[in-house]
Amino acid sequence: DSGVTQTPKHLITATGQRVTLRCSPRSGDLSVYWYQQSLDQGLQFLIQYYNGEERAKGNILERFSAQQFPDLHSELNLSSLELGDSALYFCASSVVVDRNTEAFFGQGTRLTVV
Amino acid sequence: EDKVVQSPLSLVVHEGDTVTLNCSYEVTNFRSLLWYKQEKKAPTFLFMLTSSGIEKKSGRLSSILDKKELSSILNITATQTGDSAIYLCAMYTGNQFYFGTGTSLTVIP
Repeated sequence: DSGVTQTPKHLITATGQRVTLRCSPRSGDLSVYWYQQSLDQGLQFLIQYYNGEERAKGNILERFSAQQFPDLHSELNLSSLELGDSALYFCASSVVVDRNTEAFFGQGTRLTVV
Repeated sequence: EDKVVQSPLSLVVHEGDTVTLNCSYEVTNFRSLLWYKQEKKAPTFLFMLTSSGIEKKSGRLSSILDKKELSSILNITATQTGDSAIYLCAMYTGNQFYFGTGTSLTVIP
């Protein structure tokens, strides 16, 4: 158990809908990363938050947004869902930035858009 | 553009074989290279490499970084069926973790 908690584990929803994925980082970790993993692709970096502030943005669609709250948990909002958004969404956390560190991953949320 | 490339994409070996997985990277601000193992769900951390030529070892797994060649290898000796997984290489810039697409390893009895 990495200490990173993601909910829900599975999500099935229709096209056009909006969903929220939730992540609680390891205790003490200030940095949260969101990744999307599709069947034929590796881990695609979406966005990073550090201590409540957006730190870095990757290949995140405009239909997607995220935030990190004062208690350091993070939410990834996906709206106007399309079939192609079906994927495994991972959250990872690390203690700091700018120093060598590893990222600890949650178990992921499997999103299926039908 | 920062990127990580892994090879091969996939390999199938028999139990007892030794395998070598490759990772090459291009980055503007390298801090460390990490290897992860992904079985069913979450990637789990294997190694972090920061210095060239220093081998990190954990049981039958070992890894080494070559900063001159911008690459790393992960070796697994005497493979077992439990080694079957996707092995991910990631580069850390001090800000983001860039992941490769992974090498899928299947070990058959």
